[in-house]
Amino acid sequence: AQTVTQSQPEMSVQEAETVTLSCTYDTSENNYYLFWYKQPPSRQMILVIRQEAYKQQNATENRFSVNFQKAAKSFSLKISDSQLGDTAMYFCAFMTLTGNQFYFGTGTSLTVIP
Amino acid sequence: DVKVTQSSRYLVKRTGEKVFLECVQDMDHENMFWYRQDPGLGLRLIYFSYDVKMKEKGDIPEGYSVSREKKERFSLILESASTNQTSMYLCASSFPGGAHYEQYFGPGTRLTVT
Repeated sequence: AQTVTQSQPEMSVQEAETVTLSCTYDTSENNYYLFWYKQPPSRQMILVIRQEAYKQQNATENRFSVNFQKAAKSFSLKISDSQLGDTAMYFCAFMTLTGNQFYFGTGTSLTVIP
Repeated sequence: DVKVTQSSRYLVKRTGEKVFLECVQDMDHENMFWYRQDPGLGLRLIYFSYDVKMKEKGDIPEGYSVSREKKERFSLILESASTNQTSMYLCASSFPGGAHYEQYFGPGTRLTVT
């Protein structure tokens, strides 16, 4: 069975600072994809960043980057220069290549403080 | 841009009513999904469909059914609504393969059963 764990239900960060959200997962698969999704208050869930497990290089998207540790089954999200618009619920998700299902963590609620 | 729409943002129904939640996507995606989102539990998969008239049970299918008569439309049905089905319902769609595996989400329907 695949599981995704986000151990930080809530976090806060000062505007312009850097914050890291944690995610661990469990799988016996070797090939899979990992994702971070963002759900702003009362708004649609959108993809922040994706990582292919076969790629050793960590993915980056502007101020968002990941630290992917395959052996440790860890996939953390780093947000640099935090902005007020980053306030949202963040979900870590996992998908194997053998199926079309996603497995989501329970989410981390991030608040950026002005 | 991919667009996933859901028929209602907010819905209030009475216990025992039959409830239909509609989801439409405009990107010719084969896969469509229904999740429920509850605080502290993240997203839990109810049903998914990988083709017209095909459906697969997710993690929590009890009390729900689905219908996919056309590729772009995926309906979630609560045969007899109960108060424990009060939740946020999210629809998503995706391609089954290719370079982009991510799921695209609708805005959600917040259902209250009284």
